[in-house]
Amino acid sequence: QLHLQESGPGLVKPSETLSLTCTVSGGSITTSNYFWGWIRQPPGKGLAWIGTIFYTGSTYYNPSLKSRVTLSVDTSKNQFSLKLSSVTAADTAVYYCARLGVTGTSLWYWGQGTLVTVSS
Amino acid sequence: QSALTQPASVSGSPGQSITFSCTGTSSDVGGYNYVSWYQQHPGKAPKLMIYDVTQRPSGVSNRFSGSKSGNTASLTISGLQAEDEADYYCSSYTSSSTLVFGGGTKLTVL
Repeated sequence: QLHLQESGPGLVKPSETLSLTCTVSGGSITTSNYFWGWIRQPPGKGLAWIGTIFYTGSTYYNPSLKSRVTLSVDTSKNQFSLKLSSVTAADTAVYYCARLGVTGTSLWYWGQGTLVTVSS
Repeated sequence: QSALTQPASVSGSPGQSITFSCTGTSSDVGGYNYVSWYQQHPGKAPKLMIYDVTQRPSGVSNRFSGSKSGNTASLTISGLQAEDEADYYCSSYTSSSTLVFGGGTKLTVL
């Protein structure tokens, strides 16, 4: 069974860079042409797609975050990562990593999510 | 990109059928058969319930069904059960090769 686990600091200062890693177990990140992605959910609010990455490194970003987001993949560690720069309080959210299907259009497996708070 | 439009809340009694709507544009919902629906219980990660407008992942109850007409997609739950009480989100692929979510609908089982 595929398992995804987010990890990273739970508290980030304003203007700094938020960095999270998703470790995949129970399957290889390079298997079967799946896409991998990040989604966030501010407290009490809805889901927002951040971006998607293919294991080859091809990326797709939410236009509203594109200037601040970088996704990367480390196939040797079976991990993929999110960096979000110049954070503000508005970036406080639960961040989820997920495995998408081969078309990259639906989110099949989700991590449990990790709360990141932006505060000084 | 603008979020897809979902009603904020819907309610129904056990055993009833209930339908959620998700309205977009011809650049997302109307342009592709790539609408998905997710169920989220409080404090939990979302769960994929429907993909590609009408398809159910293995293990999802056949009480859940999806459809689409023009720029509006719908999720129907038949035989409503207490355990169905949750938030439901739709998402769609877009012409910009991105994904967009709806604002979510809170389902209350009376």
